[in-house]
Amino acid sequence: SQTIHQWPATLVQPVGSPLSLECTVEGTSNPNLYWYRQAAGRGLQLLFYSVGIGQISSEVPQNLSASRPQDRQFILSSKKLLLSDSGFYLCAWRGPSGANVLTFGAGSRLTVL
Amino acid sequence: AQTVTQSQPEMSVQEAETVTLSCTYDTSESDYYLFWYKQPPSRQMILVIRQEAYKQQNATENRFSVNFQKAAKSFSLKISDSQLGDAAMYFCAYRVGKSTFGDGTTLTVKP
Repeated sequence: SQTIHQWPATLVQPVGSPLSLECTVEGTSNPNLYWYRQAAGRGLQLLFYSVGIGQISSEVPQNLSASRPQDRQFILSSKKLLLSDSGFYLCAWRGPSGANVLTFGAGSRLTVL
Repeated sequence: AQTVTQSQPEMSVQEAETVTLSCTYDTSESDYYLFWYKQPPSRQMILVIRQEAYKQQNATENRFSVNFQKAAKSFSLKISDSQLGDAAMYFCAYRVGKSTFGDGTTLTVKP
């Protein structure tokens, strides 16, 4: 069965520090991968998605970047965090078979102080 | 751009009763997918139910069912025999290519 792992679960970082959130998927190949951000009490905003290794599409210009160094690995990064980067970040995958359901990781709560 | 609107920020229901959560969307597409996701306090997003737009029959999953009105671009979720474990934030989502989510409805279940 497919599983998705996301870490760290919680992160407190000072303004200006770097960020790396990692997401890996097991049990599938060539998944579509997504990074979402959820502001408090709000819906999900799509940040990045990837349909293959090295292929990254950005939805919202911002202080963040994403990379996909391996088929089942998706990384969200920042060189210098801003206060506005605080939020709950969710990684998700969708299989290539045509199944349209997003499967989400457990999320990473980022607080920038 | 596609938008998804959930007009009820908060709803409450008595245990064992039925509640309906509303969702409307805006699209010019004729073929798409609609979903309801649940986010309990653990924050883990879980699929509740999905509907393909080309299917006229409303989807049903145990106590969860939808009322899909394609012409009205409406996609409501009905939860029957509400249980305490149903308490969560519910998100309506629309998908053509990428997924667009509503802002969610927080459901409280009263014992």
